[in-house]
Amino acid sequence: GNSVTQMEGPVTLSEEAFLTINCTYTATGYPSLFWYVQYPGEGLQLLLKATKADDKGSNKGFEATYRKETTSFHLEKGSVQVSDSAVYFCALRRRSQGNLIFGKGTKLSVKP
Amino acid sequence: GAGVSQSPSNKVTEKGKDVELRCDPISGHTALYWYRQSLGQGLEFLIYFQGNSAPDKSGLPSDRFSAERTGGSVSTLTIQRTQQEDSAVYLCASSPQGVMEEKLFFGSGTQLSVL
Repeated sequence: GNSVTQMEGPVTLSEEAFLTINCTYTATGYPSLFWYVQYPGEGLQLLLKATKADDKGSNKGFEATYRKETTSFHLEKGSVQVSDSAVYFCALRRRSQGNLIFGKGTKLSVKP
Repeated sequence: GAGVSQSPSNKVTEKGKDVELRCDPISGHTALYWYRQSLGQGLEFLIYFQGNSAPDKSGLPSDRFSAERTGGSVSTLTIQRTQQEDSAVYLCASSPQGVMEEKLFFGSGTQLSVL
């Protein structure tokens, strides 16, 4: 079946550290891939997306590249800020399927 | 409205009671989704509507759960004979057409606590 696996958290970093949150997926065909973010006390919102192989999604300094050969969509940021503290969810969606399939989420805490 | 609205924001109920959770999607959005968020379980898909029909009900955990959507707008998720394991945040989302590349717009959720 279709699924998303992302690294277990929580992840704790110091400000300006490099961030990687790993995400791998299992799906038939060519799904669209997404990262959603949930800031404390707020609803889920889209951070970035990629709809085909080798596409790079980017937003707010975050990047993720759709790697078909490794079925991965790792989230990276070169220099995190305290304001990036949130829960990050990787997700996929297939053409024949209406719903998004989410990973379990990774909580990031950035310390000043 | 400006965003997806869910009500109530919090609901405390006793085991065995029925509850109704409401979702008002963004005006004009044809696709509507219900998810459940539990600690340590991530986001669990429940049901998806395209217009008033539900092509995918595969995520509903038991026959105690049902949902409907009327007028292509408001949706209600009903849980009958609630159990303690139903305690979670119930999230509603909508998107313009329900196509693969679209992002979902989420509401703030209903925190359900079953005592």
